[in-house]
Amino acid sequence: EPEVTQTPSHQVTQMGQEVILRCVPISNHLYFYWYRQILGQKVEFLVSFYNNEISEKSEIFDDQFSVERPDGSNFTLKIRSTKLEDSAMYFCASYQDRVATGELFFGEGSRLTVL
Amino acid sequence: GQNIDQPTEMTATEGAIVQINCTYQTSGFNGLFWYQQHAGEAPTFLSYNVLDGLEEKGRFSSFLSRSKGYSYLLLKELQMKDSASYLCAVRRGSNDYKLSFGAGTTVTVRA
Repeated sequence: EPEVTQTPSHQVTQMGQEVILRCVPISNHLYFYWYRQILGQKVEFLVSFYNNEISEKSEIFDDQFSVERPDGSNFTLKIRSTKLEDSAMYFCASYQDRVATGELFFGEGSRLTVL
Repeated sequence: GQNIDQPTEMTATEGAIVQINCTYQTSGFNGLFWYQQHAGEAPTFLSYNVLDGLEEKGRFSSFLSRSKGYSYLLLKELQMKDSASYLCAVRRGSNDYKLSFGAGTTVTVRA
């Protein structure tokens, strides 16, 4: 069964360092998303990406965040200068097209710990 | 703003039935989702309702009333592996899958 894969599964970094989280969406999917979940809190939307550009972003997604699809398979989330409050699980998700079949496919997540 | 409310915790016995309620007040509505999330893992899709009524899928059923801003997830014949967090999420736009999630309901199944 096709799946969304994310790397790394866990990253520990120092405050102020840059972090890149990588995702490989399902190959024929067209819509890509990043969500995050701070420990014990709800899943929050960060950004959606379609046709090689950001289609929507949340208030959380400030200038420290950026996304990129550098090639035909990878979808990355970069945090330029990490803060303690960026510690969370980051989920990549993808969807095939606009037809509402109901399933947004999530990756297993990348746990980011900022010290 | 967006309000999606669901109970924090529920406990039930193996083999029993549990109903998890979700109420929502959102600017725009284009479907309601239920996801299951085990601790430290990704959410996995359970159900999707966009029209009023009941959708049944095996041991899990989901109901939606758009006029009441209300949904429930019904878990029947509970098994120990059903112990997890259940997330209610609303899709507001029609062209994407930006979802607004509730805080989740932690269901504990006891033997």
